[in-house]
Amino acid sequence: QQQVKQSPQSLIVQKGGISIINCAYENTAFDYFPWYQQFPGKGPALLIAIRPDVSEKKEGRFTISFNKSAKQFSLHIMDSQPGDSATYFCAASKGHGNKLVFGAGTILRVKS
Amino acid sequence: GAVVSQHPSRVICKSGTSVKIECRSLDFQATTMFWYRQFPKQSLMLMATSNEGSKATYEQGVEKDKFLINHASLTLSTLTVTSAHPEDSSFYICSAIAGSLKFFGPGTRLTVL
Repeated sequence: QQQVKQSPQSLIVQKGGISIINCAYENTAFDYFPWYQQFPGKGPALLIAIRPDVSEKKEGRFTISFNKSAKQFSLHIMDSQPGDSATYFCAASKGHGNKLVFGAGTILRVKS
Repeated sequence: GAVVSQHPSRVICKSGTSVKIECRSLDFQATTMFWYRQFPKQSLMLMATSNEGSKATYEQGVEKDKFLINHASLTLSTLTVTSAHPEDSSFYICSAIAGSLKFFGPGTRLTVL
């Protein structure tokens, strides 16, 4: 049973454009929603995370939007750059210290 | 920020041999570490939760006798793939908790011939 559904599977964006990746979760007990960036052959790196008591969080060019009633959250990458080309994973957990459930991943390619 | 290292970064072994992968938290103590497996172009799948000083908790479908986990200290957890087979070839990634954040290691690419 896939508890976190991520879309799209892949995404191509022009340099300077906005990249949007969406995730939906099923378990209402989840209360921690991070996004990870992974380059080929490397481990995932934490980008940004949000708790359900906040509807939006912004850090630099990265923004998480959270819709608790719809059980959805999304990552927006503003002014996308070729260096942003990577695989992005959303995840969810019950509390920070507990195991993460990952989405399937989105391969982002930013064309220069 | 917190750093998690893994050793080796890649390993090639013959079928039937055992391989040990180390995961270290370099500048913090981690009472809990997690081990994930990632097949090409797929997501990370949690294999087990490693707790310092106690037995690991394995996810459903993961053979604990095949994937031995030892969390000997607050900075080191090891994963041993016993009697490895080609289907065990994968990218193994550990993560550790530092405060309220989880940090991932760089991963270990295992290839079983």
